[in-house]
Amino acid sequence: AQSVTQLDSHVSVSEGTPVLLRCNYSSSYSPSLFWYVQHPNKGLQLLLKYTSAATLVKGINGFEAEFKKSETSFHLTKPSAHMSDAAEYFCVVSDRWGSQGNLIFGKGTKLSVKP
Amino acid sequence: EAQVTQNPRYLITVTGKKLTVTCSQNMNHEYMSWYRQDPGLGLRQIYYSMNVEVTDKGDVPEGYKVSRKEKRNFPLILESPSPNQTSLYFCASSLSGGPNYEQYFGPGTRLTVT
Repeated sequence: AQSVTQLDSHVSVSEGTPVLLRCNYSSSYSPSLFWYVQHPNKGLQLLLKYTSAATLVKGINGFEAEFKKSETSFHLTKPSAHMSDAAEYFCVVSDRWGSQGNLIFGKGTKLSVKP
Repeated sequence: EAQVTQNPRYLITVTGKKLTVTCSQNMNHEYMSWYRQDPGLGLRQIYYSMNVEVTDKGDVPEGYKVSRKEKRNFPLILESPSPNQTSLYFCASSLSGGPNYEQYFGPGTRLTVT
């Protein structure tokens, strides 16, 4: 069975400092992994995805994530936070062999960016 | 513009009064899905559809119905809403089912059942 755990419900950083949002997953098969972002009162937008190609995945807005199979982790990073990065971030896993396309969402990490 | 639209965006209703939330996509996607989002729980899948006339239950289907008569539309039906269905609902679509396809999300429908 698949599951995903976001290790922090809330992360606060200062503008210009690095961002680290942590995610661990559990999957019976080779997973596909995603990070989605949700800005206040908005829908969800895909930041990046891993589907068994390069383990370091680059996404939009300067975000990237590294797939580490040995640690079952898929942490999201950004070198320098911007005020516009304040949002809720969801780590998502999907069973590579499943056909139903069900995404299993983590409970979310709310990122605050202080000026 | 490629998009998923939902209507209404906000809805307040009373217990037991049937309602329908519409979802439409203009990308000719085969796969569509409904999720509900609750604080501290992330998003959970309610129902999904692999194609026209093909629907199946997700993780939390109780109290909901869906239909897929046309490729572009996937309405969510609450026959007898209850207060525990107060939530934020998202419709999503993708080119096909399976994990390699990005899902595109609608803007959300905030439902309150009193």
